[in-house]
Amino acid sequence: EADIYQTPRYLVIGTGKKITLECSQTMGHDKMYWYQQDPGMELHLIHYSYGVNSTEKGDLSSESTVSRIRTEHFPLTLESARPSHTSQYLCASSDLKAGSNEKLFFGSGTQLSVL
Amino acid sequence: GEDVEQSLFLSVREGDSSVINCTYTDSSSTYLYWYKQEPGAGLQLLTYIFSNMDMKQDQRLTVLLNTKDKHLSLRIADTQTGDSAIYFCAERPGGSQGNLIFGKGTKLSVKP
Repeated sequence: EADIYQTPRYLVIGTGKKITLECSQTMGHDKMYWYQQDPGMELHLIHYSYGVNSTEKGDLSSESTVSRIRTEHFPLTLESARPSHTSQYLCASSDLKAGSNEKLFFGSGTQLSVL
Repeated sequence: GEDVEQSLFLSVREGDSSVINCTYTDSSSTYLYWYKQEPGAGLQLLTYIFSNMDMKQDQRLTVLLNTKDKHLSLRIADTQTGDSAIYFCAERPGGSQGNLIFGKGTKLSVKP
């Protein structure tokens, strides 16, 4: 059973609000990820981190930002939410020490709706 | 760049076998994976195969890998309604720092 948690599970918010999506893992994993998932299922990597104080942009340009001050915590922030940010956001982690066999563990996701 | 392709939908009857196919482009891929996503949940690793293997079996799941054709398949024997989900194929590109590349997912519907 994976120990990676995302809160909130669902969030409905008005345009222009600042929001932070929380992600925590208790597995001591170095690498963490944020994916945005279309209603059409496709996953888009928006941010990742190799460890504390490391943050990298993913393949899909995103107006969100991330921070990694502690190994277990990788929050994602939107400074000013817009309807185009409406999506499912999935957090994941993996153990870099596993080498090439990188198994990702996913949280249950945050479904964000911006009105 | 690297790409992973899979068909978007598959519908089968309960008790039949399901075969989900995936093709990839990176010939230096090391590991290939199948993830399952149930409604309202995150992805869960189902199984994986190393690139020097051509088959891996785990209970009802059989993974076949053809590295010459860059083709990966997932066979689910005796498919149940609980197998209805989205199945993602993913590859680990060659090199130690590359992120996993996911396909767009195949939605499996199992009819009773």
